Amino acid sequence: DAGVIQSPRHEVTEMGQEVTLRCKPISGHDYLFWYRQTMMRGLELLIYFNNNVPIDDSGMPEDRFSAKMPNASFSTLKIQPSEPRDSAVYFCASSLSPGSNQPQHFGDGTRLSIL
Amino acid sequence: AQSVAQPEDQVNVAEGNPLTVKCTYSVSGNPYLFWYVQYPNRGLQFLLKYITGDNLVKGSYGFEAEFNKSQTSFHLKKPSALVSDSALYFCALRGGRRALTFGSGTRLQVQP
Repeated sequence: DAGVIQSPRHEVTEMGQEVTLRCKPISGHDYLFWYRQTMMRGLELLIYFNNNVPIDDSGMPEDRFSAKMPNASFSTLKIQPSEPRDSAVYFCASSLSPGSNQPQHFGDGTRLSIL
Repeated sequence: AQSVAQPEDQVNVAEGNPLTVKCTYSVSGNPYLFWYVQYPNRGLQFLLKYITGDNLVKGSYGFEAEFNKSQTSFHLKKPSALVSDSALYFCALRGGRRALTFGSGTRLQVQP
């Protein structure tokens, strides 16, 4: 089991640049979640997908943030334009249907620094 | 609305002593409760879950958690702490929403 794979692990870029974070969920998992972790706000849910369809994006902070899931094995989180306050660790997680109360499996995150 | 509270930012315990990390929750309906652990520069790892049944749930690495419906609590416990248990611990709740609501996290420090 390869686990959830995120790339890049670290990203440093200048304010105003576009940032794209990538996630490959565990094969067979039909739910995918994007989280953001900061010291000030803790772990926040940004958006989640079921069978590649966005279900709840109420946690997406602004229109600068967008997420897509073009197929069952790939998702992206894009920030355009990026701002220093976007600096955080971004996690992707996947799970089987929550109806079975299966736990979420997390990737190791992307540490994003916006200068 | 559902919520999870972890009242302690940090818990310090000596190696070999029992440990408890506290969690309380608020939700309408039946709660589904989880504990996760996060080591430095890593994602969250699942430890255990309570869905229904026995109020004492056993999980990975010797951890267990006690569900108490009257006190709306789900405290994480371990009989004998190890230095390697030092990490950040998160309690999480799934109520009506499909996604999890996480607590603010508790840093466990086990001293040798």
